Amino acid sequence: AQKITQTQPGMFVQEKEAVTLDCTYDTSDPSYGLFWYKQPSSGEMIFLIYQGSYDQQNATEGRYSLNFQKARKSANLVISASQLGDSAMYFCAMFRYGGSQGNLIFGKGTKLSVKP
Amino acid sequence: NAGVTQTPKFQVLKTGQSMTLQCAQDMNHNSMYWYRQDPGMGLRLIYYSASEGTTDKGEVPNGYNVSRLNKREFSLRLESAAPSQTSVYFCASSELGGELYEQYFGPGTRLTVT
Repeated sequence: AQKITQTQPGMFVQEKEAVTLDCTYDTSDPSYGLFWYKQPSSGEMIFLIYQGSYDQQNATEGRYSLNFQKARKSANLVISASQLGDSAMYFCAMFRYGGSQGNLIFGKGTKLSVKP
Repeated sequence: NAGVTQTPKFQVLKTGQSMTLQCAQDMNHNSMYWYRQDPGMGLRLIYYSASEGTTDKGEVPNGYNVSRLNKREFSLRLESAAPSQTSVYFCASSELGGELYEQYFGPGTRLTVT
């Protein structure tokens, strides 16, 4: 069964430093996508970055990059130069095909706190 | 574009009452989803709709029904609310094809069942 594991319930990082949020996944499908979403205290879900299983290069979006290690089934999110506004819950998710179309499976999330 | 909108934003129900959560998207997406988020958990899929006229169960469908009214609208109904359904409900939409797998989320509905 497909599964997403985020082992860090909470993380602290100093402002302007880089931080890595861990995510491992389990699937037997050869084709899948991995996502990271940010959920600030206001509650909305904000898309950050996407990595396809066949992508050769790690995805990057501004200060966000995804360290994709397919053999290890890991898709860690790296945030460079942390800002106070990065304090939020971060969810790793995997896109899977189910029936006629796909849906996302989410991990339980990591709460990131950025210290000034 | 408003994206994905949900109504209401907050709701308190008594056990046994019924209600319908409304969701609409203006991005012409084919697929729509309903998730619930409980404290300390990620989002779990309740139901999804691949296209107008089709619906399928997700991970936690018990106690819910859905209607894909048209391409824009996807509603979630609680026929007889229970305290275990206290949660935050998110609607999302996406357009499959190529690399466009991103799901766009609504702002959520915070539901409390007493």
